[in-house]
Amino acid sequence: DVKVTQSSRYLVKRTGEKVFLECVQDMDHENMFWYRQDPGLGLRLIYFSYDVKMKEKGDIPEGYSVSREKKERFSLILESASTNQTSMYLCASSLQGGITEAFFGQGTRLTVV
Amino acid sequence: GEDVEQSLFLSVREGDSSVINCTYTDSSSTYLYWYKQEPGAGLQLLTYIFSNMDMKQDQRLTVLLNKKDKHLSLRIADTQTGDSAIYFCAETNTGFQKLVFGTGTRLLVSP
Repeated sequence: DVKVTQSSRYLVKRTGEKVFLECVQDMDHENMFWYRQDPGLGLRLIYFSYDVKMKEKGDIPEGYSVSREKKERFSLILESASTNQTSMYLCASSLQGGITEAFFGQGTRLTVV
Repeated sequence: GEDVEQSLFLSVREGDSSVINCTYTDSSSTYLYWYKQEPGAGLQLLTYIFSNMDMKQDQRLTVLLNKKDKHLSLRIADTQTGDSAIYFCAETNTGFQKLVFGTGTRLLVSP
């Protein structure tokens, strides 16, 4: 059974903290994505990676960075968390080439207080 | 950049057909997709269509693509209460397959 696993389901952090969201996939996929999901705004792409150590900015990269040191792991970093980063964060992975069927993790609900 | 828009909400009765619409701006889109998100879950791929097709049928699902107007629709025949979910359209273009999603349409099916 294919799997994308996000390290936490729920997270509460304080303003100004550095926050790490981890995502691991076991399908040997080249592409990995981080999205945030907010009501009425849908899924917005923060960053994606198409290979180890490679990354591309999505539509809303400000305030975030990413790390992909190994193929199976893609980390999202909030350098200094702010209340407007309270959201649901979704990680996904896909193969390259042809149809992009993305497999999603369960999501991390992050609250910044 | 790419922009994908959907209406936010659709309510239908069980047994009716549902039609969910999507418009996109990127004329270089190669594939267009419909994903479904059930409560408390991640997204799952429902169906897709290649940009040189104008229709695809998959059991109760019919996808229509009007490339000239950049309009995509998903028709669900004989809608069931289990179809209640959020439906997202998405698109990719050539290259490294950046996957861009729409705003999502919440479908509510009442008995």
